[in-house]
Amino acid sequence: SQQGEEDPQALSIQEGENATMNCSYKTSINNLQWYRQNSGRGLVHLILIRSNEREKHSGRLRVTLDTSKKSSSLLITASRAADTASYFCAPANQAGTALIFGKGTTLSVSS
Amino acid sequence: DTAVSQTPKYLVTQMGNDKSIKCEQNLGHDTMYWYKQDSKKFLKIMFSYNNKELIINETVPNRFSPKSPDKAHLNLHINSLELGDSAVYFCASSREGRNIQYFGAGTRLSVL
Repeated sequence: SQQGEEDPQALSIQEGENATMNCSYKTSINNLQWYRQNSGRGLVHLILIRSNEREKHSGRLRVTLDTSKKSSSLLITASRAADTASYFCAPANQAGTALIFGKGTTLSVSS
Repeated sequence: DTAVSQTPKYLVTQMGNDKSIKCEQNLGHDTMYWYKQDSKKFLKIMFSYNNKELIINETVPNRFSPKSPDKAHLNLHINSLELGDSAVYFCASSREGRNIQYFGAGTRLSVL
């Protein structure tokens, strides 16, 4: 399965700290995406990194991709209480079929 | 305007009933999806349609039947509801399977 598996399952930090979430997958990918889900809401796309990219930035987000290790990480710098949410990685396979989501990392940022 | 809208937002029903959830997207996408998210937040794909044609049909009881009248709509009909069907169901759309997906707000189904 190409399903992404996030680690850790839960993460609690203080405002201002950095949060790092990891994702591992098993098959070759076209790209890998990260999504955020606030409590009781739908998922919102955060960032997409292609298989030929190693790092990508978007605001306070930094995503890395290591295709040799089949892993990715999402770093949120200077976290805020509003970053409290679940974060999902979703690898997209070469065939372009639907993304397969993992179980997510639940991030709690306390002020 | 809401890009991906699904109705109803909440659905409470008795075991054995039949219910439908509707989804519409105004993004001009040609691929739409249904996901089920259980109480442990595991988000599992159920179906995917591309231009009204079923392209993904995961292991889902045949009590669940998707219907796509046109590429902007993907409805989910559930027959003979069971307690285990209680979950949040999300509709999503994208231009292609590998591209960014846009999600609806979810339908919270409670089967009593």
